[in-house]
Amino acid sequence: TQLLEQSPQFLSIQEGENLTVYCNSSSVFSSLQWYRQEPGEGPVLLVTVVTGGEVKKLKRLTFQFGDARKDSSLHITAAQPGDTGLYLCAVRPYGGSQGNLIFGKGTKLSVKP
Amino acid sequence: EAGVAQSPRYKIIEKRQSVAFWCNPISGHATLYWYQQILGQGPKLLIQFQNNGVVDDSQLPKDRFSAERLKGVDSTLKIQPAKLEDSAVYLCATRGTGAYEQYFGPGTRLTVT
Repeated sequence: TQLLEQSPQFLSIQEGENLTVYCNSSSVFSSLQWYRQEPGEGPVLLVTVVTGGEVKKLKRLTFQFGDARKDSSLHITAAQPGDTGLYLCAVRPYGGSQGNLIFGKGTKLSVKP
Repeated sequence: EAGVAQSPRYKIIEKRQSVAFWCNPISGHATLYWYQQILGQGPKLLIQFQNNGVVDDSQLPKDRFSAERLKGVDSTLKIQPAKLEDSAVYLCATRGTGAYEQYFGPGTRLTVT
């Protein structure tokens, strides 16, 4: 059983469209992170959310942590080809070793010009 | 600040052969992780070091995988003997003391034929 369920698994859109991807679980987390991974590279941290209901914005990206700290969403406004990549959510569960992360399978996003 | 360095970037071996990967962390980062990322999956933690000591190796297949971090700086991950299912990208990540963020290297793509 996967701890984190990310959806959709694949998403292909045109430049300028908006999109939302999701990260869901039945467990509660102390914090949640979103990463973007480009082909041939390691994941790069986009944001860390720690408070239930928290909303963070990073340019055209809006991240929300669910009130119950079990889920999160990432919304991209006016997507650009440079947003193409694998979007991974990762959590540090309560009781887990310090700093250890569990990753979802990711959403593979393709933005066509 | 230099990032996490990994080598080699690519490796192709036959099953039952041995292989080793090398990681040079960001200077001063005490915590080092090795992850395995199979195609279509998120990274899965194999082992965590704090300086030169192992903190968590619960998901490391110890019958064939080994890792060390002599002097608490560089680390090597070895597979002996390799199996077809070991084909994956092996990512090294490091984290500074008290920080949330893990910094990933570009990974080593291993193909076992």
